[in-house]
Amino acid sequence: EADIYQTPRYLVIGTGKKITLECSQTMGHDKMYWYQQDPGMELHLIHYSYGVNSTEKGDLSSESTVSRIRTEHFPLTLESARPSHTSQYLCASSESHTEAFFGQGTRLTVV
Amino acid sequence: EDQVTQSPEALRLQEGESSSLNCSYTVSGLRGLFWYRQDPGKGPEFLFTLYSAGEEKEKERLKATLTKKESFLHITAPKPEDSATYLCAVQSSNYGQNFVFGPGTRLSVLP
Repeated sequence: EADIYQTPRYLVIGTGKKITLECSQTMGHDKMYWYQQDPGMELHLIHYSYGVNSTEKGDLSSESTVSRIRTEHFPLTLESARPSHTSQYLCASSESHTEAFFGQGTRLTVV
Repeated sequence: EDQVTQSPEALRLQEGESSSLNCSYTVSGLRGLFWYRQDPGKGPEFLFTLYSAGEEKEKERLKATLTKKESFLHITAPKPEDSATYLCAVQSSNYGQNFVFGPGTRLSVLP
């Protein structure tokens, strides 16, 4: 069973607020990923990390930022939330050339 | 550029009616093909990894197979609890450690 956790599960926040979505894994995986997924739509990679102090932007342009100070922790931050940021955010981790394990996601609504 | 397509987009089956889902891929240097199940509002749940043509994996009513151009997810005698979106993803030498996901097949199994 995958040990990757995301908090909060649901978040409703006002426009202009700063938010941080938490993601932690206890499997010791080097690779971690953030995906954005709208209801019924595809997963889009927005950030990834191959290890501590390594972060890169993904295919989908995003106004969010990430950090990787510890292997197990990969938080995503939005400095100023907007309604266009409303979506589901999924965190995942993997070892090299093996399957990724996903958290349960954070459903973000910006009003 | 790596591409993954899935068909059909949606599939409705009667309980006990076996069928197959298709995942077609165009990649340079396949490193792995992955099947996931996703329930509404949740993160994808890992099902299978396939690494080379001819490989097969089974789990309960599900069986995944791989050729050089596509993968099939066979569902034998499905039950209503098999209703979900099934996602296919690939890793390739083009794309490093990242995953390219297909759009998914929405499966509904009616009692």
